[in-house]
Amino acid sequence: QKEVEQDPGPLSVPEGAIVSLNCTYSNSAFQYFMWYRQYSRKGPELLMYTYSSGNKEDGRFTAQVDKSSKYISLFIRDSQPSDSATYLCAMSDQAAGNKLTFGGGTRVLVKP
Amino acid sequence: TAGITQAPTSQILAAGRSMTLRCTQDMRHNAMYWYRQDLGLGLRLIHYSNTAGTTGKGEVPDGYSVSRANTDDFPLTLASAVPSQTSVYFCASSLRTGMAEQFFGPGTRLTVL
Repeated sequence: QKEVEQDPGPLSVPEGAIVSLNCTYSNSAFQYFMWYRQYSRKGPELLMYTYSSGNKEDGRFTAQVDKSSKYISLFIRDSQPSDSATYLCAMSDQAAGNKLTFGGGTRVLVKP
Repeated sequence: TAGITQAPTSQILAAGRSMTLRCTQDMRHNAMYWYRQDLGLGLRLIHYSNTAGTTGKGEVPDGYSVSRANTDDFPLTLASAVPSQTSVYFCASSLRTGMAEQFFGPGTRLTVL
């Protein structure tokens, strides 16, 4: 079993819909939770960064962390075609020197 | 600023040959990383460096070596390439060790035949 599980998709939604992405993990030591966006043939770029449990909002993006369930989510409101990309969750813990453990990524397609 | 640059963009390499993937950052970040990305497996850490002069092994280090002679450069060498090393390789950096936020380069697509 992988340490971080993420549905590969693709997840196809109409423009304007809410995109809901999630990851589950097994390592209870993870404290830092990140979402990266990766466009085709590009490097990942950091979208959201959360420490421990709770919610964080940044514009159209909301990240949620539920450490008791070992489950994190990313919501994209009012989705745009430019949101079409692969979204990678990543996690780390301080004891491991904050080396990131990534999920496999979910491919998202927002159709105009 | 350029951020992180990687070279080459892509390469086809015969099995058994050696190759060095180059990575340069201009952000004066202390920590640098090499990942490989394979379909369904996500990004896996190959090697890392917390600061110039030090390196460490990641999750999948076998067949790869790195050096960190200065802050800006972090080359990855494949001494004798094998087909299983066909992948997309990303270099990344963070301001210092212990910072979870990492910045990624554009990647090198390597095919080993």
